[in-house]
Amino acid sequence: AQRVTQPEKLLSVFKGAPVELKCNYSYSGSPELFWYVQYSRQRLQLLLRHISRESIKGFTADLNKGETSFHLKKPFAQEEDSAMYYCALKGSGNTPLVFGKGTRLSVIA
Amino acid sequence: DAGVTQSPTHLIKTRGQQVTLRCSPKSGHDTVSWYQQALGQGPQFIFQYYEEEERQRGNFPDRFSGHQFPNYSSELNVNALLLGDSALYLCASSLLNLEQYFGPGTRLTVT
Repeated sequence: AQRVTQPEKLLSVFKGAPVELKCNYSYSGSPELFWYVQYSRQRLQLLLRHISRESIKGFTADLNKGETSFHLKKPFAQEEDSAMYYCALKGSGNTPLVFGKGTRLSVIA
Repeated sequence: DAGVTQSPTHLIKTRGQQVTLRCSPKSGHDTVSWYQQALGQGPQFIFQYYEEEERQRGNFPDRFSGHQFPNYSSELNVNALLLGDSALYLCASSLLNLEQYFGPGTRLTVT
């Protein structure tokens, strides 16, 4: 079964501090991993996907197959990063997205 | 392009009633997926429609059904509503099963 675990419901950091949002997954094959973000009063939107290996808004995430993790990182948090972050997994073939429960990031000025 | 649109924004129903939610996909998209997001939870996959047929289904009872029209828009129907059906219902569209774009959601409250 596919499962995504985000152990932190809430993460508070000071502006300028490093951020790491944790995501662990369970899947027997080769998954695609995603991070979605939902800013206040906005719709859910894709932040980044592991196959792109790109940095979006200063965020990066590396897929660690050994630890089955896909943690989201940013070296210096900004107030505008405050949002709800969801990690999601898609298995091989025509399978749906499976989301974690989300982590609310609060960046304190 | 307004992106994915959903209607209505909010809805209040009574237990046992039936509800229909609507979704218009982003221009150029042919696949529509529906998700239920309960309070404090991540979105949970209900089903996906492609070429007017249900292509995949999550772990939801038959009370949840859907439809896709020739213009790719979609409806989600829920029969015999339960209090536990209260949630935000999200629609996402994509081209084939590539990157999904989400709508703003419909907030359903069952009393």
